[in-house]
Amino acid sequence: EDKVVQSPLSLVVHEGDTVTLNCSYEVTNFRSLLWYKQEKKAPTFLFMLTSSGIEKKSGRLSSILDKKELFSILNITATQTGDSAVYLCAVEILSGAGSYQLTFGKGTKLSVIP
Amino acid sequence: EAGVAQSPRYKIIEKRQSVAFWCNPISGHATLYWYQQILGQGPKLLIQFQNNGVVDDSQLPKDRFSAERLKGVDSTLKIQPAKLEDSAVYLCASRPDRVSYNEQFFGPGTRLTVL
Repeated sequence: EDKVVQSPLSLVVHEGDTVTLNCSYEVTNFRSLLWYKQEKKAPTFLFMLTSSGIEKKSGRLSSILDKKELFSILNITATQTGDSAVYLCAVEILSGAGSYQLTFGKGTKLSVIP
Repeated sequence: EAGVAQSPRYKIIEKRQSVAFWCNPISGHATLYWYQQILGQGPKLLIQFQNNGVVDDSQLPKDRFSAERLKGVDSTLKIQPAKLEDSAVYLCASRPDRVSYNEQFFGPGTRLTVL
């Protein structure tokens, strides 16, 4: 069975701290790994990673994938209260039905306190 | 570009009642997904459509859940009859097609409470 495990499940930090969120996976037919940010509404897309070792950056957020060790990390530097959210890791796989689908982890709940 | 629209945003029903959710994907997106997200969990895929055809409904509890996308645009998801364990957020997502490297775009979800 395909599995995506995120850690930690929750994290409380102070503004200005740097955080690292982890995502490990065991799946068949891997195609890509995606990170989403979910506040009290729709998950919003952050990154899609397909190749090992290539860092993707967007402002204070960055992410990298290791396809050999089957994990990804999401880094957030100089955290702000607006970063408080659930961060979801999802792995895109080719399903038995021949379509590309996402399998999600449980998410990491990040709380940034002033 | 307008995002994925869903309605209603919230719904409270008693167990054994019926409920329906509506989703309108981003214009031109051929692939549509329905997910169930139980509190504290990640979204779990229920059904995937390509245009008006079902691609995968292997995780849809077909004894009580049904979904359709008759004209290949908007979609409805129905639960009949509802159980307490159906309390969750139901998310709809779309993407341009099912092959290209594109992320899925999510709607705001419908929060269902079954009493």
